[in-house]
Parts: sequence; structure tokens; C-alpha cells
Amino acid sequence: QKEVEQDPGPLSVPEGAIVSLNCTYSNSAFQYFMWYRQYSRKGPELLMYTYSSGNKEDGRFTAQVDKSSKYISLFIRDSQPSDSATYLCAMSFGSSNTGKLIFGQGTTLQVKP
Amino acid sequence: GAVVSQHPSWVICKSGTSVKIECRSLDFQATTMFWYRQFPKQSLMLMATSNEGSKATYEQGVEKDKFLINHASLTLSTLTVTSAHPEDSSFYICRGGGISNTEAFFGQGTRLTVV
Repeated sequence: QKEVEQDPGPLSVPEGAIVSLNCTYSNSAFQYFMWYRQYSRKGPELLMYTYSSGNKEDGRFTAQVDKSSKYISLFIRDSQPSDSATYLCAMSFGSSNTGKLIFGQGTTLQVKP
Repeated sequence: GAVVSQHPSWVICKSGTSVKIECRSLDFQATTMFWYRQFPKQSLMLMATSNEGSKATYEQGVEKDKFLINHASLTLSTLTVTSAHPEDSSFYICRGGGISNTEAFFGQGTRLTVV
């Protein structure tokens, strides 16, 4: 069993739709949870991070962590074609993203105009 | 945010030759550099972690004699793929972090194709 599981998709939605991306994990010692966005042939960029269970909102993006279920989500409201990318969840045992990260497989999202 | 500049962005080499990939931290001192490999439609797999001035720590299954990592300065880390073979073709990405940073930053990645 992989430490972090993520449905690779691809996921195709119309512009304006609400997108839900999810990851599950097996190690309850993970403390820091992140979402990265990666455009084709580029390095990932950090979108959001959370350190505890609950929700965190940033513009059209909401990150949700449920430690009891070992489940994290990223919601994208009013999705735009420019959101088309691969979204990677990542986790660490520490309290920041400066250490070793464990990544999910990535979900490829296509937002159609 | 801070910038990690990775070069080249893509390279094609012949089987049996060596290729060097550079990652430079432009506006911070990268005390730690992580090197990843990413195959198409797969996740980022950590290859090794290097700290400035120390030998790199390689993940299980990664050949340290084949993937040479040098981190001799706080602004430059290199990965050399020695005697490259077609199965080494992949996307290689570095991620650098410093003591004063609250975040580690990815380079732009290098697409290596071995023919």
C-alpha cells in the first residue's frame, strides 16, 4: 500500500464548475499537508498548506484536512481553463514543507472553456 | 518567493554519456537540496537529499555511483547522470530550502532523453 494515494484522473470539467481533488494516506504521523500545482514540463508550485484538521481558504481554493479519516481535499470554485494542470498532494512529518515530502501520484485536471 | 533556477530545461544525450544538471538558488542560501525523478503520469520520487558540504543521502534503490550529487556551495547543487541509458530518461527536479526559509522551492525541472 502506498503511503499516499491519489486518483490520477484525468478529470475533465466545464469552466465554472466546482472541482474536488482528494488524497488518502496511511501514516497517522503526517502533520503537514500541502497541495502543489504542476503545469506540463514545469516544476511544481505550492498552492496551499495546512497544519491541522479543518479548512483553509485562499481565494477560489479551499484545502480541507480530516486527520481522523486520513483524508485531505482541495476544492476549486469557479474553475478556469488556466486551472488546467496536474495537482499533487504532499505530506510531511514535520511542521513545514522544508523537509522530506511524500507525494501523491497527482491528478490531471482539464477545465474546458 | 525565492527562486531556484534549474538548467538545462531539456537535454538529449547519447547512451553511455554523462549529463550534468544544475540547480542554483538565486536569492537565498540553499542549505538543503532535494533531487526528484518523475516519470510520465507518476508522482515525484525522491532520489536523494544533499546538505551543503556533506555527502548526499540516497533513497533506497537509487544508485549513488550513477547519480552523482554535489552540493559544494550554498547556492549551487548539481546532479550528474553517469553512463546514461534510455531507462534514465525522465523529468528531474530539484527542490531547495534554507535555514531562513519557511518553504523549500522547486526548480523548473529538466527533461532528460537518452537515445
